[in-house]
Formats: sequence, C-alpha cells, structure tokens
Amino acid sequence: DAKTTQPTSMDCAEGRAANLPCNHSTISGNEYVYWYRQIHSQGPQYIIHGLKNNETNEMASLIITEDRKSSTLILPHATLRDTAVYYCIPYYGGATNKLIFGTGTLLAIQP
Amino acid sequence: NAGVTQTPKFRILKIGQSMTLQCTQDMNHNYMYWYRQDPGMGLKLIYYSVGAGITDKGEVPNGYNVSRSTTEDFPLRLELAAPSQTSVYFCASTLDRSDSNQPQHFGDGTRLSIL
Repeated sequence: DAKTTQPTSMDCAEGRAANLPCNHSTISGNEYVYWYRQIHSQGPQYIIHGLKNNETNEMASLIITEDRKSSTLILPHATLRDTAVYYCIPYYGGATNKLIFGTGTLLAIQP
Repeated sequence: NAGVTQTPKFRILKIGQSMTLQCTQDMNHNYMYWYRQDPGMGLKLIYYSVGAGITDKGEVPNGYNVSRSTTEDFPLRLELAAPSQTSVYFCASTLDRSDSNQPQHFGDGTRLSIL
C-alpha cells in the first residue's frame, strides 16, 4: 500500500482558498488519488479523485504533479463548515477496494 | 436520497453482551465494508463483502462476524463485547465498475461503548 505524508494541521481564513498538500511518492501506476474529509462526529465524506489529470467538481479542485508523487486539494472559498480532517488516499478500485486512512490534515477555518 | 444508513447511532453495552450493528444502502452497490475508528486514529477495515453471500476479513476481524444475505444489508455482529471494542463503527459501500473508478460512500456511524 502506498504511504502518504500530510501536514498534521493547517489554518485558513474564511473566504480564502485552502490548499492542502499530500506526498504519495510510492503510489503505483494504477492507483487513483482520492480525497475524503471527516467533519467532527460524522462519517467520511468523499470529495474528489483523479489519476493523472487535474480534476474539478462542485466541492474542490485536485492538482496532481506530472510525476504523480504529490497532489494538492484546493477548496476555492473556504467556509467555517469546511473545518474537518482531510485525508489523501491512494486507492485502486478492484476486487478488494480497501481505503487506507492515515491521520490526515486537520484544517481549521478561521473567521 | 438515503445513501448508507446505520442503526443505532449510539449504544452502550456491558462486557460479554452481544449486539448487531445494522447497515443498509439503497444505491444498489455491490461492495460493502465495515470500518472502526478509535479516538484520534484513522479508520481500520474489519470486514468487507463483494456481493451477496460473499464476505472476507479485513485488517481487524477478531471479535466480529458479518453476513450478506441481500445486496442492501450488511450487518456486523459482536458476540462477546469487550472494552477494546469501544469505538465508532462506519459502514461504507461502492459500486464496482470495470469502466471507471468509484468512491466509497459512508454512513454516519454507530458510537459503541463497552463498559
């Protein structure tokens, strides 16, 4: 399983863009980069995923480096409700779809 | 859209008691999972199922049992509750497709305390 490195915690001002980095230098060629978040006392929430190209959806943008060894999740206009633990997870869908959650980044949005 | 529904939301058990944590999904997903999350830690996989009648162990299966008689339901059974099983339990599901990579969707969890 690929290992990931994320900052333990980050702060961001409300209304600004939040940029969350992740290093996944041992990611294998068929693994996607998935991002989930967990708001206090709730189940993990899927945010976005990508393989090689940058991706954008209604929640966030995902920037993946060309060598695929790192990625950045961007929340374009952070709100207080975005305060959560964010997990970067290399993951391949197959017969044993097991998400490996590390300790993630605690993102605190400041008013 | 209900998604993944877990019941109960909270439960306190005495040591040695048994209980079943219920999980149901209405998205016609073939894969389902049970995770546990201890305080301040990431999620650990307990059991998973790739379809009705098929289950397999994850990282931490000891003390638990599962069954998958229908596509929708994936109950988790604790036979002899122990304090080490105090945790938050999450159920998840996903649709396995050969043409695209699909995310897992999670329920809101069951908070279980063993005293």
